[in-house]
Amino acid sequence: DSGVTQTPKHLITATGQRVTLRCSPRSGDLSVYWYQQSLDQGLQFLIQYYNGEERAKGNILERFSAQQFPDLHSELNLSSLELGDSALYFCASSVGGLMNTEAFFGQGTRLTVV
Amino acid sequence: AQSVTQLDSHVSVSEGTPVLLRCNYSSSYSPSLFWYVQHPNKGLQLLLKYTSAATLVKGINGFEAEFKKSETSFHLTKPSAHMSDAAEYFCVVSDLNNNDMRFGAGTRLTVKP
Repeated sequence: DSGVTQTPKHLITATGQRVTLRCSPRSGDLSVYWYQQSLDQGLQFLIQYYNGEERAKGNILERFSAQQFPDLHSELNLSSLELGDSALYFCASSVGGLMNTEAFFGQGTRLTVV
Repeated sequence: AQSVTQLDSHVSVSEGTPVLLRCNYSSSYSPSLFWYVQHPNKGLQLLLKYTSAATLVKGINGFEAEFKKSETSFHLTKPSAHMSDAAEYFCVVSDLNNNDMRFGAGTRLTVKP
């Protein structure tokens, strides 16, 4: 158990809908990272938050947004969903703001868009 | 920007034989390098990391990797494969000036009895 909790584990929704994925980092970790894993794109970095503020942005679509709350949990919001958004979404956390420190990954949320 | 290439998408070995998973990286600065493992339907787990200390890094479950700057490589090895090693392995590079980690495409390791 990495200490990073993601909910829900599975999500099935229709095209055009909006969903929210939740991540609770390890106790004491200030940074949260979101990744998307799909068969054709592999593991892609989406966005990072550090202590409530956006720190880095990767290949995140404009239809997607995230935030980190004062209690350090984070939510990833995906809207106007398309079939191609079906993927495994991972959250990771680390103590510091730089990812050359060890990152701990949650077990992921599997999103299926039908 | 940094990048990483895993040279084999799939490696198959017999139980008890050595494992070699190859990784080459590109980085403008001194990189940090990681190997993560992902078992089916599980999250990613850190196997080992290199952050400019000893070039031979020992990790969990008997794995180790050697950082070779001249070859820009960070290959993962294990002397004797176990059935439980069957999983997807990701080589990852990060440098001090970036906040994101770049993942390789992954290598699927199959272990035959």
